[in-house]
Amino acid sequence: EVQLVQSGGGLVQPGGSLRLSCAASGFTFSSYGMSWVRQAPGKGLEWVSTIMGSGSSAYYADSVKGRFTVSRDKSKNTLYLQMGSMRAEDTAIYYCAKDGPPISLRPGFSDHWGQGMLVIVSS
Amino acid sequence: DIQMTQSPSSLSASVGDRVTITCRASQSITNFLNWYQHKPGKAPKLLIYGASSLHNGVPSRFSGSGSGTDFTLTISSLQPEDFATYYCQQTYSVPLTFGGGTKVEIK
Repeated sequence: EVQLVQSGGGLVQPGGSLRLSCAASGFTFSSYGMSWVRQAPGKGLEWVSTIMGSGSSAYYADSVKGRFTVSRDKSKNTLYLQMGSMRAEDTAIYYCAKDGPPISLRPGFSDHWGQGMLVIVSS
Repeated sequence: DIQMTQSPSSLSASVGDRVTITCRASQSITNFLNWYQHKPGKAPKLLIYGASSLHNGVPSRFSGSGSGTDFTLTISSLQPEDFATYYCQQTYSVPLTFGGGTKVEIK
């Protein structure tokens, strides 16, 4: 059974940093791209970032490019989102997701999702 | 960036109704179109990928169609557990983009 367990959310001051983690199990981690998607209060879903299975390619929304970094640790089967220079508009529930299909060369659909983690940027 | 426009933004329907949600892309995305269901306090769930392929475990009352720029999600007979917000997403090109969502409410 695919499981994605998130950790690391919380309150951070404007300009501060925070790292989200997503521990994966139940599938061959290195074979799948992984994504981060967020939902700001009262808003819809917004794609944030995708990293391919090999870790060699990563993609970002313009709204976070240069401030957020996605990475993955194959030895720990864990996905990370390092968030920096944070702004009030980064306040949202952040979801990690496993993407399909396997061994893909491009970002794909998100077929399993983590439980979500609330991040609040406020002084 | 490819803009995804969903309609309607909300609808009221009764159990047993046939419900149709449309999604239009600002340029052709061939069949790189996915549909998700999202309930408050829960993680989104994948319903349809590749415009018309049903994800594992999703009830057959859900179906998707379309290609190019115009797509449709249909729920053939609305069930109580289907009241939620539905999003389309294009994965044709980066940045990936979602539609604004369609909230399906109880009439």
